[in-house]
Amino acid sequence: AQSVSQHNHHVILSEAASLELGCNYSYGGTVNLFWYVQYPGQHLQLLLKYFSGDPLVKGIKGFEAEFIKSKFSFNLRKPSVQWSDTAEYFCAVLNTNAGKSTFGDGTTLTVKP
Amino acid sequence: DAGVTQSPTHLIKTRGQHVTLRCSPISGHKSVSWYQQVLGQGPQFIFQYYEKEERGRGNFPDRFSARQFPNYSSELNVNALLLGDSALYLCASSPIRQGYNYGYTFGSGTRLTVV
Repeated sequence: AQSVSQHNHHVILSEAASLELGCNYSYGGTVNLFWYVQYPGQHLQLLLKYFSGDPLVKGIKGFEAEFIKSKFSFNLRKPSVQWSDTAEYFCAVLNTNAGKSTFGDGTTLTVKP
Repeated sequence: DAGVTQSPTHLIKTRGQHVTLRCSPISGHKSVSWYQQVLGQGPQFIFQYYEKEERGRGNFPDRFSARQFPNYSSELNVNALLLGDSALYLCASSPIRQGYNYGYTFGSGTRLTVV
């Protein structure tokens, strides 16, 4: 069965600290990978996506993610977080054959000013 | 440009009743997906529709059904409601070009409470 694991449930950082959120998935077929963000009081928004090609993808607001196929991982990174990055972050995997998307349970990021 | 719109925003139903949730995708998006999100968890996939056909189904009972209309809007129906169906129901639309799903745009959801 397809699954997504986000290892960190809650991360607390100070402004300017570097961020890395882990995401591992279990599915051996062709996948599209996504990170979504949900700011307080807002709906889910697409942060970045990977389909193929360069495994390092860049998204909005300075976020990037690296796809490592051998590790089934798609970790999210940002060199220097801001208070406004406080949000919940979801990793998602789309099984292109079955049209089925699986989300992780999310990581809550709190950035202290 | 309007985003994904869902109606109603909130709904309270009694156990055993039926509910219909509605979703209008972004103009030009032909794929619509439905998700259920309970507190503390990520969205759980219910259905995907593309060009009015069901293209994917999650692990939900047959009480859950959906359809997509010629204008690409969609309805999610849930019969014989249970207390455990209380959740935020999200609709998401996406453009699909050359076989690629370019990522979902989510609506704000319908908060369903079953009492």
